Amino acid sequence: DFVMTQSPDSLAVSLGERATINCKSSQSVFYSPNNKNYLAWYQQKPRQPPKLLIYWASTRESGVPDRFSGSGSGTDFTLTISSLQAEDVAIYYCQQYVSSPPTFGGGTKVEIK
Amino acid sequence: QLQLQESGPGLVKPSETLSLTCTVSGDSISSSTEYWGWIRQPPGKRLEWVGSVYYSGSTYYNPSLKSRVTISVDTPKNQFSLNLRSVTAADTAVYYCARHWGYCGSTTCHPGYFQHWGQGTLVTVSS
Repeated sequence: DFVMTQSPDSLAVSLGERATINCKSSQSVFYSPNNKNYLAWYQQKPRQPPKLLIYWASTRESGVPDRFSGSGSGTDFTLTISSLQAEDVAIYYCQQYVSSPPTFGGGTKVEIK
Repeated sequence: QLQLQESGPGLVKPSETLSLTCTVSGDSISSSTEYWGWIRQPPGKRLEWVGSVYYSGSTYYNPSLKSRVTISVDTPKNQFSLNLRSVTAADTAVYYCARHWGYCGSTTCHPGYFQHWGQGTLVTVSS
């Protein structure tokens, strides 16, 4: 199975500042025939299910604010929150789906400094 | 508006079968081109895909659970269900049902990203 490793485990960022979360896959999630990275990001707030933020590594799901952006290719990916808002306090997970079973990262907890 | 709601016992005894149902509203399982899956999250651990079903009844399971899992679809009721046999304490988790995109290769299909989730239900395995 693909192992997804996120860093850091947690971070505290001031309101309005940038938050950066990293995700590393044990194998490449890039599929060359369609030139896509099979990588998604989710946000999970307390007592709520995960919410899809980004898929194909950088495509925002409908309704997701544009302060959330995804980047990277191959094995290394980043989720950036450009200007942290209070409602962004949550745990963020990455997930690969290039290979079955799909696997998730361990999560990064984002808090307000 | 799509909604998914899990239901089932919150407590299951070791060695017995965990049974959950996901009721879908706002979309028809039989007309959807999407897949319907189960994901679980043990306390303090990462999310784990359990398995998925297509409206046709085709199923796809996590190899780590395949010997104990059955997922089925009831299109008239617009529901799909999870049965997990011979449970142990390690199966204690919040179980989510979800609708997700999937894709097919030459021999089988694969789950993709999970777009819509139920609220989840905690199932504890304990005597």
